[in-house]
Amino acid sequence: DGGITQSPKYLFRKEGQNVTLSCEQNLNHDAMYWYRQDPGQGLRLIYYSQIVNDFQKGDIAEGYSVSREKKESFPLTVTSAQKNPTAFYLCASSTRDRRSSGANVLTFGAGSRLTVL
Amino acid sequence: EDKVVQSPLSLVVHEGDTVTLNCSYEVTNFRSLLWYKQEKKAPTFLFMLTSSGIEKKSGRLSSILDKKELFSILNITATQTGDSAVYLCAAPRMNRDDKIIFGKGTRLHILP
Repeated sequence: DGGITQSPKYLFRKEGQNVTLSCEQNLNHDAMYWYRQDPGQGLRLIYYSQIVNDFQKGDIAEGYSVSREKKESFPLTVTSAQKNPTAFYLCASSTRDRRSSGANVLTFGAGSRLTVL
Repeated sequence: EDKVVQSPLSLVVHEGDTVTLNCSYEVTNFRSLLWYKQEKKAPTFLFMLTSSGIEKKSGRLSSILDKKELFSILNITATQTGDSAVYLCAAPRMNRDDKIIFGKGTRLHILP
């Protein structure tokens, strides 16, 4: 079955440590996204990538980094520079083919909950 | 600045009631509006609306778009406890970056 896999589901880290969240998709989607969700805040865009080897900052990119070396993979690193990293992180992907009825309809992974102690 | 605004932010009703969730938008090169339901983890897709005045329906859920007034509503009739979730509204910005703008969501709680 096609879908998006995020790992780990739960992660605990000490303050000052970098952590990397994995996101893999087998939907053949060009575009991939990382969102952060805090209670009462909705989804806030961290980074997104429309094509391999290219990515753009979203609204809250500070303290985060990404790479897009393969179409299927879009890992997110939460660095020690991120002031308040404890949150629920969602990865998503979509087709960019505007001829498709599914263009820009996001498919989400199950999320990764990061807690910094 | 592009934005999507949902209201109310929170709603508590009794099972069997009908609810209406609102979403207004101001998005560059608007093309479509999307509704998602989020229970515990990943949001799941409900509707995509592209044309004004055409209702989309799925069981007890329905949604409609008004491109003149720049808003959409999501209706849920005969609510059940399983409808308790956060409902998210989103609109892709159809320019070079195709950024998708989300609202803050409406948290709906259905009392048995």
